[in-house]
Amino acid sequence: DAEITQSPRHKITETGRQVTLACHQTWNHNNMFWYRQDLGHGLRLIHYSYGVQDTNKGEVSDGYSVSRSNTEDLPLTLESAASSQTSVYFCASSEKDGGTDTQYFGPGTRLTVL
Amino acid sequence: GENVEQHPSTLSVQEGDSAVIKCTYSDSASNYFPWYKQELGKRPQLIIDIRSNVGEKKDQRIAVTLNKTAKHFSLHITETQPEDSAVYFCAASTTPYVGRNYGQNFVFGPGTRLSVLP
Repeated sequence: DAEITQSPRHKITETGRQVTLACHQTWNHNNMFWYRQDLGHGLRLIHYSYGVQDTNKGEVSDGYSVSRSNTEDLPLTLESAASSQTSVYFCASSEKDGGTDTQYFGPGTRLTVL
Repeated sequence: GENVEQHPSTLSVQEGDSAVIKCTYSDSASNYFPWYKQELGKRPQLIIDIRSNVGEKKDQRIAVTLNKTAKHFSLHITETQPEDSAVYFCAASTTPYVGRNYGQNFVFGPGTRLSVLP
């Protein structure tokens, strides 16, 4: 079955280190998204991509970057991790073509920055 | 840009009663409105959605209504059960045409914590 996966599921790192969170989907969706979820803030968009080589900033993009070299993957990189980036990160994908609109979420990555 | 408000932020109901969560949006170009349920420690899961050309949609105990003129949509859960306890998120989506594809721009409400008391 098609799915969306994230790795690692849990990560502890230190302030200043570079961290990359992986997101992989097998639906062949063009649209992919990264959100962070903190208590009291719901889901906040970090970056998104509408296709290969396309990337866009969301509302909380400072300190994060993404790249889209193929349809299946959208890795999220924290260039220099900060304690404020401790959060749960969700990747999602969606496709508009064919009359479908549903956005599917990955299982999430819990990141702790010490 | 789009702004989605959601009320109430918390809701407690007795088992068997109904629960209603309301969302308003600002962008008249929004054309797709999903509702997600998120249980503790889990990913958001789509429970029902509605497109802008439909006024109401029902799936067993769950229904969603959309009023495009007033720019608001609501989630209705009837005969609530303890397993309905979760955080519910609404969202509004536009579909910009980008290159050769339709992108999607989802904006989420802040969430409603529903507690169903036995």
